[in-house]
Amino acid sequence: DAKTTQPTSMDCAEGRAANLPCNHSTISGNEYVYWYRQIHSQGPQYIIHGLKNNETNEMASLIITEDRKSSTLILPHATLRDTAVYYCIVRVEQDDKIIFGKGTRLHILP
Amino acid sequence: DTGVSQDPRHKITKRGQNVTFRCDPISEHNRLYWYRQTLGQGPEFLTYFQNEAQLEKSRLLSDRFSAERPKGSFSTLEIQRTEQGDSAMYLCASSSWQSNQPQHFGDGTRLSIL
Repeated sequence: DAKTTQPTSMDCAEGRAANLPCNHSTISGNEYVYWYRQIHSQGPQYIIHGLKNNETNEMASLIITEDRKSSTLILPHATLRDTAVYYCIVRVEQDDKIIFGKGTRLHILP
Repeated sequence: DTGVSQDPRHKITKRGQNVTFRCDPISEHNRLYWYRQTLGQGPEFLTYFQNEAQLEKSRLLSDRFSAERPKGSFSTLEIQRTEQGDSAMYLCASSSWQSNQPQHFGDGTRLSIL
C-alpha cells in the first residue's frame, strides 16, 4: 500500500501558485519524498524529490516539514498544461519499485 | 527524442490471443521496469530488470505474463491467453544504476481485450 495521503482533487486558478499537500506520517529516516505527475494519456513524469531539505528545480519546489511527516509541492505559476494527476511517493534509496497511490487530480481553471 | 519509447501505443485483441509489447529505455539506463495501470488507479509495479537480469516480479505477474531483456537494452512483455482483466495501460520506465535516481516513464501501451 502507498504510504502517503493526498487530497483526491484540487482546483487552482491559472497564474496562481498551486500548493499540493501530502501526508507521510510513517516515513522512515532513509525514505525520500518523490513527486510525479501524469497528464491524460501519457506516462508519469518525474517532477522533483528530496530527503529533508527543501528542493527547487525548473518545474517546482518541494517543501518538507522539519519532522518530515508532510510535504508540499509548489507549482509557482500554474498554467492550463499543469492539469494532471499528481502523485506523492515515499521510497527508500535501495527500493527499486515505486508504489503509487491514487494521487491528487489538479484542475487549473482559466 | 531520447526518452523511453514503447510500441505499440495501442493494441486491440480478442480474448485468448497472445500479445507482445516492446520497451526501449533511455540508452544509458541499465534498469528497466514494467508497470500496469487500470482506469482511475495509479500504476502498479510488475517487474524489474537490471541489465539482462530480472531481479523482482510482483505477484500480479501471473504465469501468463513473461518479460525479457535479452541483451540488457530493450525489453518485451508478453501476455499469453489474454483475459478481459488484462485490459490496462502497460507502462515501461528506466533509470540509471546510480542510487536514488528517478525512474523515467514512457507513454505506455494501452491494451484492450474484446
